[in-house]
Order: sequence, then C-alpha cells, then structure tokens
Amino acid sequence: ETGVTQSPTHLIKTRGQQVTLRCSSQSGHNTVSWYQQALGQGPQFIFQYYREEKNGRGNFPPRFSGLQFPNYSSELNVNALELDDSALYLCASSQDMSGTEAFFGQGTRLTVV
Amino acid sequence: GQQLNQSPQSMFIQEGEDVSMNCTSSSIFNTWLWYKQEPGEGPVLLIALYKAGELTSNGRLTAQFGITRKDSFLNISASIPSDVGIYFCAGRGGSNYKLTFGKGTLLTVNP
Repeated sequence: ETGVTQSPTHLIKTRGQQVTLRCSSQSGHNTVSWYQQALGQGPQFIFQYYREEKNGRGNFPPRFSGLQFPNYSSELNVNALELDDSALYLCASSQDMSGTEAFFGQGTRLTVV
Repeated sequence: GQQLNQSPQSMFIQEGEDVSMNCTSSSIFNTWLWYKQEPGEGPVLLIALYKAGELTSNGRLTAQFGITRKDSFLNISASIPSDVGIYFCAGRGGSNYKLTFGKGTLLTVNP
C-alpha cells in the first residue's frame, strides 16, 4: 500500500456536469500529480502541484483544473464533462517536484453517460 | 499525447519462464520507472533508474537504463502466476516533471 488515497473510488456523471476528485498524498510528500488513464492505455499527465503551486501541465483543456492544499492533499476538477472524459483518474505523490519516485493511489473510475 | 514505444504489447508464458520487455523513446530521459498495474488498482512502482547504464534489481526483477538514455528494459526471471498484470514503463526528462508512460505489456502466466 502506497499511502496515497483517492476518493471516491467510482463515480457516474452526466455529460455537461462538473466533478471533483480528491487525493491525499503520502506522508512526507509535497508534490502531487494527476493522470488520466483511458481503457487500454498508459496514464496521461494532466498536471502537477508542488507546495500548492502548479509547476507542470499536460495537453488537457482548461476545463481540467486543480488545487493543492496546505496539507498537500489535492483536488482535480473537471467542468462540462464529455463522454471521452470517462477514464481512471490517478493521483501520484512524490517527495519533491523533481519527481524522484512517484507513488500512485488506487484511482477514481469516472463514467460519463 | 506523447507515449513511449513499449513492446511487446502482450505475452503469454509458462510458469518458470523468464520474461523481457522494453521501452524506447525519441526523447532523452533522466529517469526511468517501471510499474505494475492489476485490475482496479493504480500502478505500483517496481524499479526506479536514475543513471544511464544503471542496472537495478528488485527480487526476480531486473531493469536497466539504456546508455543512450532513450530506452530501458525490464526482465522478470522464473515467472510465477502472481506476476500476471500490466507492466508500464515511464520516463521523465526536461523541466516539466511529467511522467510519460508506455502503453503497457500485458503479462499472462500459465501455471
């Protein structure tokens, strides 16, 4: 077990709705990254937060946004959900922003109908 | 989005056999990581590599960071049924800090 916890584990939303996913990082870790994993694919980087500042972003539209809190937990928000947003959303935490080893949570399975 | 070339896509082997899989990239990486993912779970880190040419073992697993910094391989010796899962390589380079993943190798072990 990595110590990275995500909630909820499963979620069903309707197209056009908004969703918030949550992640608690491993104790002692100040960096959180979010990834989207479509079925049959490897995870795709969404963005990374280090000490509450975003310090990297992948090729995702602005309706994907996030936050990191002072305790280094994090949220991923997705607005105006589309069917293609259906995926496993993974959170990873690491000790520093240079990303030594990244440890993943179990993920949130989002289904958009 | 960008992905690494990971091969093979799938392998079906007999228990006790050795397994080898690899990843190649068009970009140079500073870090290579190997993960295993089982159904309904997040990826679990197996091995981390930080230097070109580095060879690292974790039990029956051995991974190497290619000398060109554009490739890595993972070997599993004497496979057992619990090795079943999807193995992903991931590389990190530059200042973006993101991990770029391969598409995974699905390993099936026949007892």
